Amino acid sequence: GESVGLHLPTLSVQEGDNSIINCAYSNSASDYFIWYKQESGKGPQFIIDIRSNMDKRQGQRVTVLLNKTVKHLSLQIAATQPGDSAVYFCAENIEGAQKLVFGQGTRLTINP
Amino acid sequence: DGGITQSPKYLFRKEGQNVTLSCEQNLNHDAMYWYRQDPGQGLRLIYYSQIVNDFQKGDIAEGYSVSREKKESFPLTVTSAQKNPTAFYLCASSSYGLAGGETQYFGPGTRLLVL
Repeated sequence: GESVGLHLPTLSVQEGDNSIINCAYSNSASDYFIWYKQESGKGPQFIIDIRSNMDKRQGQRVTVLLNKTVKHLSLQIAATQPGDSAVYFCAENIEGAQKLVFGQGTRLTINP
Repeated sequence: DGGITQSPKYLFRKEGQNVTLSCEQNLNHDAMYWYRQDPGQGLRLIYYSQIVNDFQKGDIAEGYSVSREKKESFPLTVTSAQKNPTAFYLCASSSYGLAGGETQYFGPGTRLLVL
């Protein structure tokens, strides 16, 4: 989940399709994970979170999956809408480190 | 943006000038944070505060200073020592601080540009 460069991964999906955004995190001591959505020129908005004692959590049209074995987090958005177009960040809380570490983000574009 | 305000929305800094970015929250959160975001990148932590009158350096504190005199307010000063200040600055707050893994909520951001 560390920021690694200037090239933002991108994902394009058709309106109405499901999308899956992936995030690899680095620290096995991470105990809490958050997905944020950031629209252009705005602050990140909380979407959904999950603690390390869970492997799945569902919200409205969104599902987060956590695979601790391979240190992988994903965000599934069902029936995508134009308003879902944004940059999506994962963030991990490393236990004891007292800070969130953010991934570099994925730009999701919904095509009409 | 939920109860966190940042001002101004845009800020211009001249060479050698110190500028202060405002962050106010009415969520009664104990912890507050400042992040810097550069184009195409994630957020990097500048400073954070878990209680009034106390704050800690984040990953990129050089050239910045903060104060936390009130629970609601956590202003960030970008000093002349920060040689590359052009970025989008985000303030966040959370209930208990990161020891408990609490969600951070963000303000709308301030874009700082150098003249």
